[in-house]
Amino acid sequence: GAGVSQSPSNKVTEKGKDVELRCDPISGHTALYWYRQSLGQGLEFLIYFQGNSAPDKSGLPSDRFSAERTGGSVSTLTIQRTQQEDSAVYLCASSLAGGFYYEQYFGPGTRLTVT
Amino acid sequence: DAKTTQPNSMESNEEEPVHLPCNHSTISGTDYIHWYRQLPSQGPEYVIHGLTSNVNNRMASLAIAEDRKSSTLILHRATLRDAAVYYCILRTYGGSQGNLIFGKGTKLSVKP
Repeated sequence: GAGVSQSPSNKVTEKGKDVELRCDPISGHTALYWYRQSLGQGLEFLIYFQGNSAPDKSGLPSDRFSAERTGGSVSTLTIQRTQQEDSAVYLCASSLAGGFYYEQYFGPGTRLTVT
Repeated sequence: DAKTTQPNSMESNEEEPVHLPCNHSTISGTDYIHWYRQLPSQGPEYVIHGLTSNVNNRMASLAIAEDRKSSTLILHRATLRDAAVYYCILRTYGGSQGNLIFGKGTKLSVKP
């Protein structure tokens, strides 16, 4: 079946512009996660959606970052007034349900470059 | 989630077994041991997980020490496609935090 898809695969933007990154999770998966991976840094958690619960935003690095998940499916990560330090690969993952037990399926990522 | 320690890098020859170690000396009784790997230019993928007993699946085997303070991911016959960064992650049973906490992992190189 179809895996997690993300778009665009690459995005180059100028410093100060806003960007939107999209994630289509696996159908039927109630949990959705955003992570980012910077050069020289590991994978860091950004935000977690589980069903209709309020999202866990504890990983968002600043208030320039926000995300929404419409209809329990597609999610959009928005970065406002982008900075060069926002350059990274942004990864989306989904799982059948949230919590410790379910394996997470990752998309291929969106490579964001801020010039 | 408790912390894990892995070697930064390892090398293997193709067709030979690979043993990737992970230390987790502060593991609690409710922590599950999960392994993910990340192939070049791809998102991570699940490999295997276990609690106390050794586990096998089509990708790998997981050997867990009797005191659970360490574990070893075993690739029985390494292929070039197994070259990746391997992450050992602890996840707490019943924990409310759903996200994975990645360390630096072990970068595995496979020589033909």
